[in-house]
Amino acid sequence: EPEVTQTPSHQVTQMGQEVILRCVPISNHLYFYWYRQILGQKVEFLVSFYNNEISEKSEIFDDQFSVERPDGSNFTLKIRSTKLEDSAMYFCASARLNSNQPQHFGDGTRLSIL
Amino acid sequence: AQSVTQLDSQVPVFEEAPVELRCNYSSSVSVYLFWYVQYPNQGLQLLLKYLSGSTLVKGINGFEAEFNKSQTSFHLRKPSVHISDTAEYFCAVTTSGSARQLTFGSGTQLTVLP
Repeated sequence: EPEVTQTPSHQVTQMGQEVILRCVPISNHLYFYWYRQILGQKVEFLVSFYNNEISEKSEIFDDQFSVERPDGSNFTLKIRSTKLEDSAMYFCASARLNSNQPQHFGDGTRLSIL
Repeated sequence: AQSVTQLDSQVPVFEEAPVELRCNYSSSVSVYLFWYVQYPNQGLQLLLKYLSGSTLVKGINGFEAEFNKSQTSFHLRKPSVHISDTAEYFCAVTTSGSARQLTFGSGTQLTVLP
């Protein structure tokens, strides 16, 4: 069964540095998402992406965050100047066309900011 | 906006016993409901979904859930659990008008004891 893949599985970065988290969604999916889960807290929506543009974003997704689909397969989340509170597990998800199609999640990237 | 409440943060249960994990939601519009499972160091795997039609939905690994609109609930059940069911379980909701972002509950840690 096709799956969403995320790299790296664990990223350690100094505060203030830029980090890029990478995701390869399922090939015939058209909707892409990023979520994050701070340790011990809920999974929170960050951003959704469709037709090469952001379709919705949460309050968390401020100017330090950006997303990009640089080619036909990758979907990236960039954090420009990381802060300690960005430490979390970041999940990528993808889904097919309709609003009732379930989202398929990757295994996540654990981001640790020092 | 929608919200999800998982009433139990931890549920210990003995092997082969039945289990129910509770989920309540609030939304002013029609919803789609999901249960995801997260095994240690893994991503979120879809267990089952309610989109429309029959209120009793069956998922993988012997789990089922019942949508109750009047009580705004979507409780997850399994008649006989196994050690391998030990995991974190998340209830999630989305609506057709929300660009499909998922709103998650805070999760329930199911621990199956021998």
